[in-house]
Amino acid sequence: DAKTTQPTSMDCAEGRAANLPCNHSTISGNEYVYWYRQIHSQGPQYIIHGLKNNETNEMASLIITEDRKSSTLILPHATLRDTAVYYCIKSETSGSRLTFGEGTQLTVNP
Amino acid sequence: EPEVTQTPSHQVTQMGQEVILRCVPISNHLYFYWYRQILGQKVEFLVSFYNNEISEKSEIFDDQFSVERPDGSNFTLKIRSTKLEDSAMYFCASNRVYTGELFFGEGSRLTVL
Repeated sequence: DAKTTQPTSMDCAEGRAANLPCNHSTISGNEYVYWYRQIHSQGPQYIIHGLKNNETNEMASLIITEDRKSSTLILPHATLRDTAVYYCIKSETSGSRLTFGEGTQLTVNP
Repeated sequence: EPEVTQTPSHQVTQMGQEVILRCVPISNHLYFYWYRQILGQKVEFLVSFYNNEISEKSEIFDDQFSVERPDGSNFTLKIRSTKLEDSAMYFCASNRVYTGELFFGEGSRLTVL
């Protein structure tokens, strides 16, 4: 089961939008895309998830391509506190064994 | 806002000793999990638990590990005879429905000497 692919690291200026890409070309029809983040070895924090439609909540927006092979997490106005490792995970909704990869280290700079 | 709480935040133990890590999941949650993260490595699934029994476990979760929900609020992870390689951050998580939206605690750091 191939996992997701994310860039190792990204930088973003404070106040600007952070766009974090994820490739999940082997996603199956019943798998959702979940995004989590981990701030400095704290517990992972759920951000958002989606199946095929774009989703938005108070933390972020998730844009999923029509073929569902990739997605982008958008933090609309990044702050210093958004500096974290962001994980893109594909998972069936009926089973929540999450397989974390290496994630993307997002650094928000002043 | 309700949260998952874990104790202790840090435990140091000698190799071969038994360790119990404790978690208080969010009160109306029904599904409970343990994950671990060895320093500098990925977060790894250990076990999921529902209705007083293990739903799924990983290959890491061998006979040295056990989980229990001894009362209506606590969820524990026991390591019977710790090894050096058990040194890690252990995260408890819970959710109300069986989806990938988990609520994680802040973790318990276990150091085995």
